[in-house]
Amino acid sequence: GESVGLHLPTLSVQEGDNSIINCAYSNSASDYFIWYKQESGKGPQFIIDIRSNMDKRQGQRVTVLLNKTVKHLSLQIAATQPGDSAVYFCAENMSKRSNDYKLSFGAGTTVTVRA
Amino acid sequence: DAGITQSPRHKVTETGTPVTLRCHQTENHRYMYWYRQDPGHGLRLIHYSYGVKDTDKGEVSDGYSVSRSKTEDFLLTLESATSSQTSVYFCAISEVGGRQTQYFGPGTRLLVL
Repeated sequence: GESVGLHLPTLSVQEGDNSIINCAYSNSASDYFIWYKQESGKGPQFIIDIRSNMDKRQGQRVTVLLNKTVKHLSLQIAATQPGDSAVYFCAENMSKRSNDYKLSFGAGTTVTVRA
Repeated sequence: DAGITQSPRHKVTETGTPVTLRCHQTENHRYMYWYRQDPGHGLRLIHYSYGVKDTDKGEVSDGYSVSRSKTEDFLLTLESATSSQTSVYFCAISEVGGRQTQYFGPGTRLLVL
């Protein structure tokens, strides 16, 4: 399953399939990006991050891809499991100062895994 | 939740009353943040702190104040709560230098009647 753009806030995916969650960011000067997972009733949980000097970074079952040309970020989840059902947020560091760590968050994509 | 606790976890209050939310961390991280989360808006930064007694405003700071007298504690105060401040409030922390990953607490659900 795949979500496109910031305006498709839900994604339904069959268990075992790969998921792709997309995010368009706004600031071409952003140099750091994070993906968070938020389960119902809990705080956001860090999944994976990537710096702007990289195009791809892999974690356990997750891969983040960064396309700076079109200001696009994606999160790929391999072999999606029921426990992956959550809201996924992308965040970018929009700070202009080098010692400023403010993040700007997207609205989130709700992923539902079908058994 | 990365050594972050928030109190209270749930609160119901009336319009016009003062409310203080507490965030406590055991990680000795320099940066602390307060966010609110509302449907359709994602996470929005209220205030943040870059050290003891050093704070700055975020994008939705009106009606809120903060204080940080110790590294481990960051307080968020609603001086006179309004119904528009009904929300889920999250505290986050981050280290200095290089990675700007923020780690979040479990949240406080606030209802202003």
